[in-house]
Amino acid sequence: AAGVIQSPRHLIKEKRETATLKCYPIPRHDTVYWYQQGPGQDPQFLISFYEKMQSDKGSIPDRFSAQQFSDYHSELNMSSLELGDSALYFCASSFLGGEETQYFGPGTRLLVL
Amino acid sequence: AQKVTQAQTEISVVEKEDVTLDCVYETRDTTYYLFWYKQPPSGELVFLIRRNSFDEQNEISGRYSWNFQKSTSSFNFTITASQVVDSAVYFCALSPTGDGTASKLTFGTGTRLQVTL
Repeated sequence: AAGVIQSPRHLIKEKRETATLKCYPIPRHDTVYWYQQGPGQDPQFLISFYEKMQSDKGSIPDRFSAQQFSDYHSELNMSSLELGDSALYFCASSFLGGEETQYFGPGTRLLVL
Repeated sequence: AQKVTQAQTEISVVEKEDVTLDCVYETRDTTYYLFWYKQPPSGELVFLIRRNSFDEQNEISGRYSWNFQKSTSSFNFTITASQVVDSAVYFCALSPTGDGTASKLTFGTGTRLQVTL
């Protein structure tokens, strides 16, 4: 079965640079979520989109923005990167009208130097 | 506010032992979902089970079983006859039930399970 696709899988950036993470949900899923997991931490919710509209917002820094496109893929844009942004970034998708279980992608490991 | 507590930071068992992972939650929502996810050393988050708050029937799925008790706000997860491949961090998570919004997951801090030969 198709899973959530995230790209890139690994990313190395310098401080103050920008990064764009991409997420392709499971086909027919209408909802996308972004989570950030620091080393040894549990995943923390950043933001979610349902039918291309922002649905909920968590502890997402103002330097980050995200959107969901007409084909339901989503991008997380991160600017003015800081050392503390180094983390594993997960995208998850679900079908709100159905099972609603969030299925996670493999994650993007971001390292800020 | 929602909160999930996994008091066990790390558990170590010998293969073939049974192991139970504890999870206690707090929520003001009248209906909600409870989940268990597994994060192996490779890093991905794998969905294991989901339970609706209105369904307290406990089930067994292969080597996995779970005990949901609303009266004590607990959702414990048991692996029977553990195997080395079960070694991972296990997260308990909570979300409100569907109300037409994309509800976030609130995770516990995770329990690291080490299964040795």
